[in-house]
Amino acid sequence: DGGITQSPKYLFRKEGQNVTLSCEQNLNHDAMYWYRQDPGQGLRLIYYSQIVNDFQKGDIAEGYSVSREKKESFPLTVTSAQKNPTAFYLCASKLGADNQPQHFGDGTRLSIL
Amino acid sequence: AQSVTQLDSQVPVFEEAPVELRCNYSSSVSVYLFWYVQYPNQGLQLLLKYLSGSTLVKGINGFEAEFNKSQTSFHLRKPSVHISDTAEYFCAVMGPPGGGNKLTFGTGTQLKVEL
Repeated sequence: DGGITQSPKYLFRKEGQNVTLSCEQNLNHDAMYWYRQDPGQGLRLIYYSQIVNDFQKGDIAEGYSVSREKKESFPLTVTSAQKNPTAFYLCASKLGADNQPQHFGDGTRLSIL
Repeated sequence: AQSVTQLDSQVPVFEEAPVELRCNYSSSVSVYLFWYVQYPNQGLQLLLKYLSGSTLVKGINGFEAEFNKSQTSFHLRKPSVHISDTAEYFCAVMGPPGGGNKLTFGTGTQLKVEL
């Protein structure tokens, strides 16, 4: 079945540690997105990529980094510079046409030890 | 810049009663509008979308929404809710074309269906 796979489902980080969240899609979608979800704040865009080897900052990119070396993969690294990383992280993808909706993975919950 | 306002953070309703979840948006250009549903510890599932054409949009699970350009609203409705509809609902606007198709989300409405 086609879909978006995020792993791991739960992740724990120690202070000062970088962690990488995985997002893989087999939908042949062109664009991919990372969102952060905090209670009562909805979803906020971290980074997005419309094509391989290109990505843009979203609204809250500080303390995060991404890469897009393959069409199907868009990993997110939460660096030690992100002072409040505890959140639910959601990855999404969509076809390139403007009127196509985004489809979401099941998320990764990151917590600080 | 675009923004989305979901006026109610929580909506309690009895099973089999009708429900309306309110969404207002602001945008200086034509927009695409979406409603998503999120069950606990899961991702977002698309309920319905408005792209153009008929202002009444039907989605999955018996939900529908009406696009009202003059009131800049896109309220979600269901005539009779079920316990399984308990979830968080997000309204989102996409646009403008060529801007990365980014979504701007509202803060969500928690629908709680009670027996």
